[in-house]
Amino acid sequence: AQSVTQLDSQVPVFEEAPVELRCNYSSSVSVYLFWYVQYPNQGLQLLLKYLSGSTLVKGINGFEAEFNKSQTSFHLRKPSVHISDTAEYFCAVRPNAGNNRKLIWGLGTSLAVNP
Amino acid sequence: DAGVIQSPRHEVTEMGQEVTLRCKPISGHNSLFWYRQTMMRGLELLIYFNNNVPIDDSGMPEDRFSAKMPNASFSTLKIQPSEPRDSAVYFCASSSGQGARGYTFGSGTRLTVV
Repeated sequence: AQSVTQLDSQVPVFEEAPVELRCNYSSSVSVYLFWYVQYPNQGLQLLLKYLSGSTLVKGINGFEAEFNKSQTSFHLRKPSVHISDTAEYFCAVRPNAGNNRKLIWGLGTSLAVNP
Repeated sequence: DAGVIQSPRHEVTEMGQEVTLRCKPISGHNSLFWYRQTMMRGLELLIYFNNNVPIDDSGMPEDRFSAKMPNASFSTLKIQPSEPRDSAVYFCASSSGQGARGYTFGSGTRLTVV
């Protein structure tokens, strides 16, 4: 079985500051990893994903994440945030083999960007 | 592509009434997921279909909830009878192949049961 822990439920940050949203996972098998963003009153949107290859993954809106297998982490970063990045961010994993298509979700991190 | 389309966007109903939520997945996607999101419990997977067949309904809270996927382009989630604790945002998502590209979510249906 897999589990996902997002270490911070809320992250306040000032505009143009860097931000890191932390995600750790537990799994006995290899996994795919995902970050999704949910803007207020909207559905979730895929930010980026790690499937294989380079451990540094770049996504939309200037976000990137680094897969660290030894630390079972997939932290999301952005060097300079904007007010428009205020949203809920979800980390998710699923096994990279087999027919199980279920994603295992973290509880989310609320990013609040202040002027 | 219009994306995953859910209807209605908002639904307010009285306790005891039947509620039907609808979803049209992205054309060509072969997996469809129904989620419920609340402040207390976060994002919960209710059921998912692969090639129109229900694969895992272990997240369906009780017999009042049922879901169908009669064809590749349409799915419904029905609650009968509805209760105030069913109030939540219900999302539909779809994916293709083995799901390695991730899911595409609809905009959700905000259900309020009074």
